[in-house]
Amino acid sequence: KAGVTQTPRYLIKTRGQQVTLSCSPISGHRSVSWYQQTPGQGLQFLFEYFSETQRNKGNFPGRFSGRQFSNSRSEMNVSTLELGDSALYLCASSPFMTGGGTEAFFGQGTRLTVV
Amino acid sequence: KQEVTQIPAALSVPEGENLVLNCSFTDSAIYNLQWFRQDPGKGLTSLLLIQSSQREQTSGRLNASLDKSSGRSTLYIAASQPGDSATYLCAVRTGANNLFFGTGTRLTVIP
Repeated sequence: KAGVTQTPRYLIKTRGQQVTLSCSPISGHRSVSWYQQTPGQGLQFLFEYFSETQRNKGNFPGRFSGRQFSNSRSEMNVSTLELGDSALYLCASSPFMTGGGTEAFFGQGTRLTVV
Repeated sequence: KQEVTQIPAALSVPEGENLVLNCSFTDSAIYNLQWFRQDPGKGLTSLLLIQSSQREQTSGRLNASLDKSSGRSTLYIAASQPGDSATYLCAVRTGANNLFFGTGTRLTVIP
């Protein structure tokens, strides 16, 4: 069974540009969450999607957005990139949206560098 | 707001030693707690999941305990090996369904 797949693995972008990251969850999983990992702030929750709807959102500016498609694949978009957006972006998939027994499985991440 | 703390931040042990990593959280209203391993520049690998109603979980040389009322969890690693060297993260899942992560413990096992 394939794991969580994130593409691309590495990205270099210039300030002011926008970027789109992709995440394909484990087959059958319908919940996809996104996290940002930086040395200073650690792992922080960005947002969660379930059945093509954003169900929960972390404390990030509106430049960070996402969507989920009918096949549960998700994309994350960051517009007007800033140097501080340089981070490892991790996607997690879970079989259910609600809490309780939900276990999160993470992809390998996309390393974004903004120059 | 939920806050998760991991102590120590870094740990070096000789191969073969047993060790304990600690995780504490401020709000006991959690659904579950999950321990992860992260190798440098890589994603997270799930090690153990403990439901809020459980006290411990075991997988091979790993044993995780949960004391929800006191807001504490420990990860016990038996007979450590150099391949165990990594950063270990704990995370709690709240009612909002997102994970709150600790800052991790960087473990080095010396051959």
